[in-house]
Amino acid sequence: QSALTQPASVSGSPGQSITISCTGTSSDVGGYILVSWYQQHPGKAPRLMIYEGNKRPSGISNRFSGSKSGNTASLIISGLQAEDAADYYCCSYAGSSTWVFGGGTKLTVL
Amino acid sequence: QVQLVQSGAEVKKPGASVKVSCKASGYTFTGYYIHWVRQAPGQGLEWMGWINPNSGGTNYAQNFQGRLTMTRDTSISTAYMELSRLTSDDTAVYYCARAPPEDKPSYWGPGTLVTVSS
Repeated sequence: QSALTQPASVSGSPGQSITISCTGTSSDVGGYILVSWYQQHPGKAPRLMIYEGNKRPSGISNRFSGSKSGNTASLIISGLQAEDAADYYCCSYAGSSTWVFGGGTKLTVL
Repeated sequence: QVQLVQSGAEVKKPGASVKVSCKASGYTFTGYYIHWVRQAPGQGLEWMGWINPNSGGTNYAQNFQGRLTMTRDTSISTAYMELSRLTSDDTAVYYCARAPPEDKPSYWGPGTLVTVSS
């Protein structure tokens, strides 16, 4: 499997909204609802933020949301806060009980 | 509360094998899969595979077929990941992560740094 394609970096000012895209194929992102997003701060383990495209685990702020269109999934963060600065990874089911991650996006809060 | 405790950092020589453990607590070990994901320095996440602690069944990413083995010991709620024929490209932090059956990794362990160097 090839890694899903994410922009290397995005940035935004506090209070703004940003979108991180995650592009795959019809064999992964486009073929299943099982797309999740993870936040990773430096030196820390990833944390699940969004699953099944647009669902939030307990404790995750509603400033985080997700969507999908065709082979591209998106993570939207509204009302940017300084603590949102981190790396973000998408992950998709890829069939045959396998999973594939995106290359990651570094979010800078200006 | 759910906890995944991983074994300590390892330094290995090229060609050697490494075995990393992941001890679970706070939930029924056999009720959730354990995924293994690695992250090379400054790089992204790479899915390696999963083990079903209930049955021992496994599924590995194609990139690791033939040199990756996942096992578990249900008596001590511990999963293991063994990678053989190590090269410098295997230098990475290795994470275990809990997942509902046939579902995405949800709760992650702290990671284990494996360094491969001559």
